[in-house]
Amino acid sequence: QQQVRQSPQSLTVWEGETAILNCSYENSAFDYFPWYQQFPGEGPALLISILSVSDKKEDGRFTIFFNKREKKLSLHIADSQPGDSATYFCAANSGGSNAKLTFGKGTKLSVKS
Amino acid sequence: EAAVTQSPRNKVAVTGGKVTLSCNQTNNHNNMYWYRQDTGHGLRLIHYSYGAGSTEKGDIPDGYKASRPSQENFSLILELATPSQTSVYFCASGDAAGQDTQYFGPGTRLLVL
Repeated sequence: QQQVRQSPQSLTVWEGETAILNCSYENSAFDYFPWYQQFPGEGPALLISILSVSDKKEDGRFTIFFNKREKKLSLHIADSQPGDSATYFCAANSGGSNAKLTFGKGTKLSVKS
Repeated sequence: EAAVTQSPRNKVAVTGGKVTLSCNQTNNHNNMYWYRQDTGHGLRLIHYSYGAGSTEKGDIPDGYKASRPSQENFSLILELATPSQTSVYFCASGDAAGQDTQYFGPGTRLLVL
């Protein structure tokens, strides 16, 4: 049972465009949603995160939009750069101490110049 | 300076052999995790630990053991390695308080022949 789903599996955009990566979840108890960025040959690293009490979180060119009612969220990468080419993982947990993260399968983003 | 390190970075093992993957963290985090990453599966949790002396089964623990002898060190042990365990393994440490942001190591690429 996959509790966190991501789409698309892969995405190619041109430099300067906005890339939109989608994520949905099943567990209504999830209330914390981090996005991790992974470059080839490296471990994932936290990029940006949102709590379910918010519907939007911005950090520079990266924005999370969150819809609690539909159990969906999306990561928007504005003015995409070739250096943004990476795999992005959506994750979720239900908060509290010692709550484990559940990861999606990832979206591989390629930004062409 | 890297806070989560893994050794070895690459390993070739024979079927039926014993493999030990090591992880060290200097974040002073209570929680540590072992994941494997395979194409099409994303990150899957094998074992985790809440502190020295504790180990817990994750989502795919079969064929793996874990050991947490100290706050800093967490090992993953394959007693009888099989080709199906060929993968990239990531260790992570996490702050148990709040949303448990996880910090990943660089990964170990394991090939079982």
